[in-house]
Amino acid sequence: EPEVTQTPSHQVTQMGQEVILRCVPISNHLYFYWYRQILGQKVEFLVSFYNNEISEKSEIFDDQFSVERPDGSNFTLKIRSTKLEDSAMYFCASRAPLGGRAPGELFFGEGSRLTVL
Amino acid sequence: GQNIDQPTEMTATEGAIVQINCTYQTSGFNGLFWYQQHAGEAPTFLSYNVLDGLEEKGRFSSFLSRSKGYSYLLLKELQMKDSASYLCARLGNNNDMRFGAGTRLTVKP
Repeated sequence: EPEVTQTPSHQVTQMGQEVILRCVPISNHLYFYWYRQILGQKVEFLVSFYNNEISEKSEIFDDQFSVERPDGSNFTLKIRSTKLEDSAMYFCASRAPLGGRAPGELFFGEGSRLTVL
Repeated sequence: GQNIDQPTEMTATEGAIVQINCTYQTSGFNGLFWYQQHAGEAPTFLSYNVLDGLEEKGRFSSFLSRSKGYSYLLLKELQMKDSASYLCARLGNNNDMRFGAGTRLTVKP
């Protein structure tokens, strides 16, 4: 069964460092997402991406964050200068369009746990 | 606003039925999804509604009323493994899928 893959599974970094989290969405999906979940808290929407551009971003997704789809398979989240409060699990997800055989649900990767010291 | 509201916690007994409610902002609505999340894991898809009414999928059913901005997830014949968080998620016009804070369900013997 096709799946979303994320790397690294866990990254420890120093405050102020740049971090790049990588994702390979399911190949025939068109919509890509990043979420974060601070331990014990809700799944927070960061950004949605479609047709090679951001379609929506949340108030969390400030200038420190950026996303890229550098080639036909990867989807990356960059945090330019990490802060302590960026420590969280970051989930990548992708989905097919609504309608047809698939309801357009999100398929999640297993997450990248970021620890900022 | 993007408010998605659901109860924080619920408890039910093995074999019983439980209903988890969710209310959401109706403007710019494109669909309502339910996910299950076990601690330390990614969310997994359970059910979705785009049109009003009930969608049944085995032990899980989901209901939607678009005019009321209301959905519920119904879990029947509860099993211990159903203890998890249940997340209501709203798909907006700009492809944004936003989640409620989740309802932590505890199933007791």
